Amino acid sequence: GAVVSQHPSWVICKSGTSVKIECRSLDFQATTMFWYRQFPKQSLMLMATSNEGSKATYEQGVEKDKFLINHASLTLSTLTVTSAHPEDSSFYICSARDLRKAKNIQYFGAGTRLSVL
Amino acid sequence: AQRVTQPEKLLSVFKGAPVELKCNYSYSGSPELFWYVQYSRQRLQLLLRHISRESIKGFTADLNKGETSFHLKKPFAQEEDSAMYYCASLIQGAQKLVFGQGTRLTINP
Repeated sequence: GAVVSQHPSWVICKSGTSVKIECRSLDFQATTMFWYRQFPKQSLMLMATSNEGSKATYEQGVEKDKFLINHASLTLSTLTVTSAHPEDSSFYICSARDLRKAKNIQYFGAGTRLSVL
Repeated sequence: AQRVTQPEKLLSVFKGAPVELKCNYSYSGSPELFWYVQYSRQRLQLLLRHISRESIKGFTADLNKGETSFHLKKPFAQEEDSAMYYCASLIQGAQKLVFGQGTRLTINP
């Protein structure tokens, strides 16, 4: 149980286009999901907390207009990188909490590698 | 700001040797700490959490409030333990995790 699916696993796009990444909790409902960014050989940096039915909470320094988060259902959160540029190339990872189990454990997706040309 | 420090980026030990991955945290309240592991080409997964006080895959970690540490230990390393290990601290209230920089553990045969 507690499987988080992330799609796509890898995306290449042209500079200036927008890319949507999906994060789904497959066998549980997640009122809260988290979006992280990971640069090569670096740790995970939290970008935002996605709350079902309300606005996401962004970390300091993260542009909310650049990284649009939508959490319209209890099993799906999406991250849209708008007008992507090469500096947005990174590994994006989502996680979700399964409230049926211990509240503070996060279950992670496999990540999405974004390459902006 | 809450911080988690893993001083070793790389750690290499021989199979059968003891291993200790260091983690220090800065938090004035009661922390909740975790170790996550990422095996090659797999997603990040929970290894253990301090409140469970359990041993997973032979690993244990004890919270030492005096030293603000949560080191991960295993008495006899195995080759399949080679992975990236992240220590993380939960920010109470916000329910957010703060991750350390990670330690890449390599077990040599």
